[in-house]
Amino acid sequence: AQSVTQPDIHITVSEGASLELRCNYSYGATPYLFWYVQSPGQGLQLLLKYFSGDTLVQGIKGFEAEFKRSQSSFNLRKPSVHWSDAAEYFCAVGTTSGTYKYIFGTGTRLKVLA
Amino acid sequence: GAGVSQSPRYKVTKRGQDVALRCDPISGHVSLYWYRQALGQGPEFLTYFNYEAQQDKSGLPNDRFSAERPEGSISTLTIQRTEQRDSAMYRCASSLAGQGTDTQYFGPGTRLTVL
Repeated sequence: AQSVTQPDIHITVSEGASLELRCNYSYGATPYLFWYVQSPGQGLQLLLKYFSGDTLVQGIKGFEAEFKRSQSSFNLRKPSVHWSDAAEYFCAVGTTSGTYKYIFGTGTRLKVLA
Repeated sequence: GAGVSQSPRYKVTKRGQDVALRCDPISGHVSLYWYRQALGQGPEFLTYFNYEAQQDKSGLPNDRFSAERPEGSISTLTIQRTEQRDSAMYRCASSLAGQGTDTQYFGPGTRLTVL
């Protein structure tokens, strides 16, 4: 079955520290992969996406993610976190045929300490 | 340009009432998706439209839920005889051409509370 696992429900980091949010997926083929951020009262905003090619993808707001097929992972990273990065982050698998619907993980809530 | 809009943003209703949730996608976007997000969970797929055609409704939980997009633009998700378990955030997304590589743009959601 297709699924996405985000093992960390909550993460707290200090401002300026590095960040890595974990995402593992289960999918029968090479999936389309996405990271979205959700701020309070806002819709989901796309940070970055992977379809094929270079396994290290750059996104907005200084985020990057690396696709590792052998580990079925697509972890999100940022070298230096800003207080404004506090939000909930969702990893998603996009199905590669049919309706192209997304399957989301349960999210990781990031808290940033000043 | 304007993003995806949804209305109302908040809806409180009593058990047994019908509710209609509206989604206005980005102009020109062919594909429209509805998702439901329970507290502490990620969004879960409900249904998908390509233009006005509902091509996948496999995620609708039961026959109290229905959706339409009669002119291929605005969509309405209707829940009949609401139950407390229907309380959730309902999110709409649209994409340009319904391809897997198209980004889905999400609206702010409608928070539904069933008392």
